[in-house]
Amino acid sequence: DGGITQSPKYLFRKEGQNVTLSCEQNLNHDAMYWYRQDPGQGLRLIYYSQIVNDFQKGDIAEGYSVSREKKESFPLTVTSAQKNPTAFYLCASSSTPGNGYTFGSGTRLTVV
Amino acid sequence: GESVGLHLPTLSVQEGDNSIINCAYSNSASDYFIWYKQESGKGPQFIIDIRSNMDKRQGQRVTVLLNKTVKHLSLQIAATQPGDSAVYFCAENQGAQKLVFGQGTRLTINP
Repeated sequence: DGGITQSPKYLFRKEGQNVTLSCEQNLNHDAMYWYRQDPGQGLRLIYYSQIVNDFQKGDIAEGYSVSREKKESFPLTVTSAQKNPTAFYLCASSSTPGNGYTFGSGTRLTVV
Repeated sequence: GESVGLHLPTLSVQEGDNSIINCAYSNSASDYFIWYKQESGKGPQFIIDIRSNMDKRQGQRVTVLLNKTVKHLSLQIAATQPGDSAVYFCAENQGAQKLVFGQGTRLTINP
């Protein structure tokens, strides 16, 4: 079955450590996105990529980094520079930028 | 509808009644709109979409209405069931390469 997979589902990190969240899709989609969701709030765009080897900052890119070396993969690194990283992180993909997204099931990151 | 702040707008309806969730969008140039459903701890799921050359689109138990004059989008759910309890987001394509999401509305179904 085609889909988008995020791992792990739950992640705990100590303050000061970098951590990388995985996002893999087998939908052959060109565009991929990372969103952050805080409790009771909407989705805020961190980074997005329209094509391999290219990505752009979203609305809240500070403290995060991404890479897009393969069409299927768009990992997100939460660096120690991110002041408040505890949140629910969602990855999405679409066949055409700006059209309907398919979302992964999310990774809940907690800083301890 | 959309709002800014820490608290999601909420809508409570009786099981079996119809639900109407509203969304005000910001950009008159937006040409594509989508409704998503998000259950607790899960990623959003596509419900229905509509392009700006349409006023209404129907799916299974759901209808989306678009009023471009007042920049308003609504999602109607017929005969609401307990499984419809979730947060519902509208999203718009403002002509850029990404969607912009609304704040979300929490729908609660009362037995």
